[in-house]
This record gives sequence, C-alpha cells and structure tokens, in this order.
Amino acid sequence: GDSVTQMEGPVTLSEEAFLTINCTYTATGYPSLFWYVQYPGEGLQLLLKATKADDKGSNKGFEATYRKETTSFHLEKGSVQVSDSAVYFCALTNDYKLSFGAGTTVTVRA
Amino acid sequence: KAGVTQTPRYLIKTRGQQVTLSCSPISGHRSVSWYQQTPGQGLQFLFEYFSETQRNKGNFPGRFSGRQFSNSRSEMNVSTLELGDSALYLCASSPGAGGRNEQFFGPGTRLTVL
Repeated sequence: GDSVTQMEGPVTLSEEAFLTINCTYTATGYPSLFWYVQYPGEGLQLLLKATKADDKGSNKGFEATYRKETTSFHLEKGSVQVSDSAVYFCALTNDYKLSFGAGTTVTVRA
Repeated sequence: KAGVTQTPRYLIKTRGQQVTLSCSPISGHRSVSWYQQTPGQGLQFLFEYFSETQRNKGNFPGRFSGRQFSNSRSEMNVSTLELGDSALYLCASSPGAGGRNEQFFGPGTRLTVL
C-alpha cells in the first residue's frame, strides 16, 4: 500500500537557519503530495501541496517540489523563525484517504 | 467561514464505556473524514462519509463506527473502550469526496481512557 517516510526528529535550529525535512513516498500511480503542520494543542493545517510531477508547492516561505524520479517531496525554508516551531507531516493521497508520515518535530530557538 | 469544529475537546472515560464524538464541517462541505492520532501509530484513517454514506473505512475494529447527518455533521462512536483507544481524534472536511480534495482539519478531541 501507499506509505510515506519522513526524516526522524526532533530537529532543533537557531532562528534564521535553513530548514530541510526529507520526505520520500511509495505509491502506485500519481499521488497528490502534501505538507501539513501541527502546532501544540491544535489540529493539522495544510502548509502546501503539489498534485503532479515537478510541481512546486509554496506557502509562508516554505517550499517543496514533487520529484517523481526520486519519489520525494522534501520541505525547505530558507530562514526559520521561532513561530515555525511545530510538528510537520508529509502526506500523500491516491484516492479517498491521506497517508501520513510519522511527523518531524521542529524547534526553533531565538 | 467558520472552520471545522469538534466537540468535546477533551474527554476522559474508563475501560468498557462507550463514547460519541461530534464534528461539524465547514459550511457547504459534504465530505467528512476521521483520523486517529497516537504517538505509537501516528495518524491513521478511520472512515470517510459523503452525503450521509460511509464511502471508505480504515483498518479498525467494528467497535469504531460513525454516521453523517443530512446537514453533513458527523459523529463517531467507540464502544467497549480499551486503553489503546486513548488518542487525539481528528475530523477533516472537504467540499467533495475523495482525498484529492483539500481537507480541512478540526482541532481534535483528546480522548483518555483510564
């Protein structure tokens, strides 16, 4: 079945550092790919998405490119802020449900 | 537009009891999906409802059930609670059926089973 593998955390960074969270997937066909973010005590918020190969999703300074040849969708941000501290989930869908990675906890220190 | 709302936000039950969780989707959304989030298993799909019909169900025992009403509000029920049912239960709504539609998540209901 479909599955998502994320780099394990936790990740601790200083403000203005570069952030990369690796995500690879296994799926048949052409899934849509997503990054969701979860702040403490809250539900999931869609951060960005890409629906076909070579699409680049971007939002709030975060970017990820759908790479079908490497089955990857790595999340990047050039300069993180303390407010970016959260848990980040990579996810895919081929049909009716979202399949999520395990999540990566990111802590940004001032 | 108001977002997805879930009630209650927190719930404490004991083993063997049953529980009902409620989800109100964004106005105009007809699809509601439920997910269970635990530290050990992560986020797992429970079921999806569209126009009052359960379209898909995840790999959970029959103790987990749900329904959707004509106004698209949804409830999920867990009977004969077990300690392992302690989790954050998330509801997501989308305008149409299927996972390719963007899903909007509620804040979740934190269920603790003692």
